[in-house]
Amino acid sequence: AQSVTQPDIHITVSEGASLELRCNYSYGATPYLFWYVQSPGQGLQLLLKYFSGDTLVQGIKGFEAEFKRSQSSFNLRKPSVHWSDAAEYFCAVASNTGGFKTIFGAGTRLFVKA
Amino acid sequence: GAVVSQHPSWVICKSGTSVKIECRSLDFQATTMFWYRQFPKQSLMLMATSNEGSKATYEQGVEKDKFLINHASLTLSTLTVTSAHPEDSSFYICSASGDRGTGELFFGEGSRLTVL
Repeated sequence: AQSVTQPDIHITVSEGASLELRCNYSYGATPYLFWYVQSPGQGLQLLLKYFSGDTLVQGIKGFEAEFKRSQSSFNLRKPSVHWSDAAEYFCAVASNTGGFKTIFGAGTRLFVKA
Repeated sequence: GAVVSQHPSWVICKSGTSVKIECRSLDFQATTMFWYRQFPKQSLMLMATSNEGSKATYEQGVEKDKFLINHASLTLSTLTVTSAHPEDSSFYICSASGDRGTGELFFGEGSRLTVL
């Protein structure tokens, strides 16, 4: 069965500092991988996704993620964090059957300090 | 991008009543929709997969009779919480796969249910 692990419950970074959010997955085949962001009390917004091809994917708001098959990881990065990036971040994995049933990690809450 | 709308955004009801939440895909057809439940400061828990024209597929541990799902058309799925109790209070989010098969999910705004 597919699963997603986000080992960090919360992370605090200073504004302007770099960010890396970790994500490990378990899936039998090549997964479809996603990062979503959620602001308090709202729905989810897609940051980026990986299906195939270039293992370094660029997303919105200056985020990028790298798919490393050997490590079963899909870590999210941003070179310089802005205060508005404070939110909950979810890594997700989907299979291409069943209408792309998607399983989410537990989430990592990002705090940004001035 | 594709738009998914949920209604109502929030609802307060008395214990024992039933509450219906609607999920609509506004500009695309959604053969499959998903219902998630999110507790405060926790992740999204997949409750069920809603298939147009057929019965929903529920995840293990989710009560079918408690959470009734109907997907009567390609643009509408409904979740009815029957005989709601305070422990059913939660944030319910629906999503739908776009019709281009890209795997991306488009999420509704979520519905916050509070059962008194």
